[in-house]
Amino acid sequence: NAGVTQTPKFQVLKTGQSMTLQCAQDMNHNSMYWYRQDPGMGLRLIYYSASEGTTDKGEVPNGYNVSRLNKREFSLRLESAAPSQTSVYFCASSFSGTGDSPLHFGNGTRLTVT
Amino acid sequence: QKEVEQDPGPLSVPEGAIVSLNCTYSNSAFQYFMWYRQYSRKGPELLMYTYSSGNKEDGRFTAQVDKSSKYISLFIRDSQPSDSATYLCAMNGNNFNKFYFGSGTKLNVKP
Repeated sequence: NAGVTQTPKFQVLKTGQSMTLQCAQDMNHNSMYWYRQDPGMGLRLIYYSASEGTTDKGEVPNGYNVSRLNKREFSLRLESAAPSQTSVYFCASSFSGTGDSPLHFGNGTRLTVT
Repeated sequence: QKEVEQDPGPLSVPEGAIVSLNCTYSNSAFQYFMWYRQYSRKGPELLMYTYSSGNKEDGRFTAQVDKSSKYISLFIRDSQPSDSATYLCAMNGNNFNKFYFGSGTKLNVKP
């Protein structure tokens, strides 16, 4: 039972380069999320998708775009990477997105932008 | 003021000690409370989940919620070196897609 799978695990980019972070879940969850985690800042929500076909901005959406490809997959794109986007990125999913359905996380993508 | 406050630690205890981890919050609408364990270079893993006030026990772990004081706790009995991790609290008022996280407490259990 894989849960939430993220690829790649590590990535180094130069300023201005683009990349897409991939996330897939096999738990039949409806809601999916992208967070970034930085020292001293905790987890901050970038974008979320309440259900297939919908996406919404979170707390820190600038510089990112997302695509909910189907019910299982939710990708995060950095169009022009900046050093401020150096972080650990976590994908999460929830059955309903409400408090009675906790989040389940992947193991993260560690991104460095030089 | 942050919605959820959590002491970052680090908290260092000897093996076998009872550990108490805590979070305070300001929003009285929170009803669902979660504790996540995060090992180094891994994602947060759901450890405990409770609804409203009261206690919930699972093996060596007990989650406690005091809504009147807006205070939640995670107790770890007979702590082990394998419990060394960062512990995150999270909460939700049953608002759609609104989960609020503490910044995490780093725990080190010494053999």
